[in-house]
Amino acid sequence: DTGVSQNPRHKITKRGQNVTFRCDPISEHNRLYWYRQTLGQGPEFLTYFQNEAQLEKSRLLSDRFSAERPKGSFSTLEIQRTEQGDSAMYLCASSSPTGQATEAFFGQGTRLTVV
Amino acid sequence: AQSVSQHNHHVILSEAASLELGCNYSYGGTVNLFWYVQYPGQHLQLLLKYFSGDPLVKGIKGFEAEFIKSKFSFNLRKPSVQWSDTAEYFCAVNQNTGNQFYFGTGTSLTVIP
Repeated sequence: DTGVSQNPRHKITKRGQNVTFRCDPISEHNRLYWYRQTLGQGPEFLTYFQNEAQLEKSRLLSDRFSAERPKGSFSTLEIQRTEQGDSAMYLCASSSPTGQATEAFFGQGTRLTVV
Repeated sequence: AQSVSQHNHHVILSEAASLELGCNYSYGGTVNLFWYVQYPGQHLQLLLKYFSGDPLVKGIKGFEAEFIKSKFSFNLRKPSVQWSDTAEYFCAVNQNTGNQFYFGTGTSLTVIP
């Protein structure tokens, strides 16, 4: 499968615990995005990487959230001291613009439930 | 910041009915426009996209969309829906000079056989 891969698919955690999600983009894609989606809403932008550089962060991304893409390939999103409001689907997407912007290819997401 | 509005939150149609889903965006500059579909239990998939040229864009599965710049709109259409079109549909906008994709809140389409 050469699509965007996210792990784990589901995560249940207790409030206050830390969680980390992983995203493996399509191999030749240099852009990687993290989005969050809650029920009844569209995906909300969290952050964006071009290669290993984190170029943009949303105000939604509080200090408890951190994302990395150390070698410009896979990325991790960590949430520290989780809160119930963090429960959502976390989506990763990648793209490879070639002159014009191209579409983002999405993974299946990691569903986080904070209890 | 860009905003994307999808006015139809829930649409229920019978098979063979025609579909039109509205999408409006706020940015006045050059934009790239997309419609994504999310079938139950699956990831977001691209239906069609517009960058430039002919404002009437054809996508997969018989879908099409028309970019009307003066109305800041990019409405999705299909002349005859099928039960398998039951899904969530999202409009997205990417500014030509920007990086992120802005999504609407989505429209849930249910097609009754």
